[in-house]
Amino acid sequence: DTAVSQTPKYLVTQMGNDKSIKCEQNLGHDTMYWYKQDSKKFLKIMFSYNNKELIINETVPNRFSPKSPDKAHLNLHINSLELGDSAVYFCASSPSGQFATNEKLFFGSGTQLSVL
Amino acid sequence: KQEVTQIPAALSVPEGENLVLNCSFTDSAIYNLQWFRQDPGKGLTSLLLIQSSQREQTSGRLNASLDKSSGRSTLYIAASQPGDSATYLCAVLNYGQNFVFGPGTRLSVLP
Repeated sequence: DTAVSQTPKYLVTQMGNDKSIKCEQNLGHDTMYWYKQDSKKFLKIMFSYNNKELIINETVPNRFSPKSPDKAHLNLHINSLELGDSAVYFCASSPSGQFATNEKLFFGSGTQLSVL
Repeated sequence: KQEVTQIPAALSVPEGENLVLNCSFTDSAIYNLQWFRQDPGKGLTSLLLIQSSQREQTSGRLNASLDKSSGRSTLYIAASQPGDSATYLCAVLNYGQNFVFGPGTRLSVLP
C-alpha cells in the first residue's frame, strides 16, 4: 500500500502542450504539497493545500494550477509547457500542516517531466 | 528568509567507516528539522525528525543532533554500508513558513 502515490512516473511532452500530474495519499493527512526539484537537486515548495484550501502559493507561473477535489487528492495541471518546466515534481503530505514540532513530511516517488 | 546549506556536497567513503553529514540553517526559529534519504529516481524517505526542544534522535545506525541556537544539525552514520549510498537532505520547518530544504549531500559507500 503506497502512502503517497503520484502518476505518471515519467512524462515526456512537447513545448506548448498542457499536462496534468495526479497525486493521492491514503494516510488521512490534512495537508498536501507540490515540490519541484530542479537539475541541481534543489527542492522548492510550489503549493500547499490544507483540507482542500490553498495555503501556500509560492512564486510560480500561473500556468501551474493545483486542484484539490478532496483532502486525499492534489493534482497539478500545467498549461503551455516550456523547456524550463523540465524537472522532477514531488507530491507530499503531512498530518496537519499546523506547523507543530512533530509535523512530518511524507513524499511520493516523483514525476520526471521532460519538455522537448 | 531561511537558508539551509549542507556540507560536503558529495562524500565517498570505504565500507565500515563512520561518517558525519552537516546541515546549517540561518534562522533558528524552527519547529523541527528532518533528515531524508533520496535514492536515484525515487522519492524522499524520512529518516529522523528532531523537534526544536530535542537535542538528538537515534534510529539504528543513524544519530541526528540539533543545536538550534547555532543553526546546526549533524547526521552520524555508523559502520557505513554500500546500501547507505544515496543523497541525504535536511529540511527545517520554519515558523510562519514551510519546510525549507538543503541541497543535499551525495554519499557513496564503496565495498
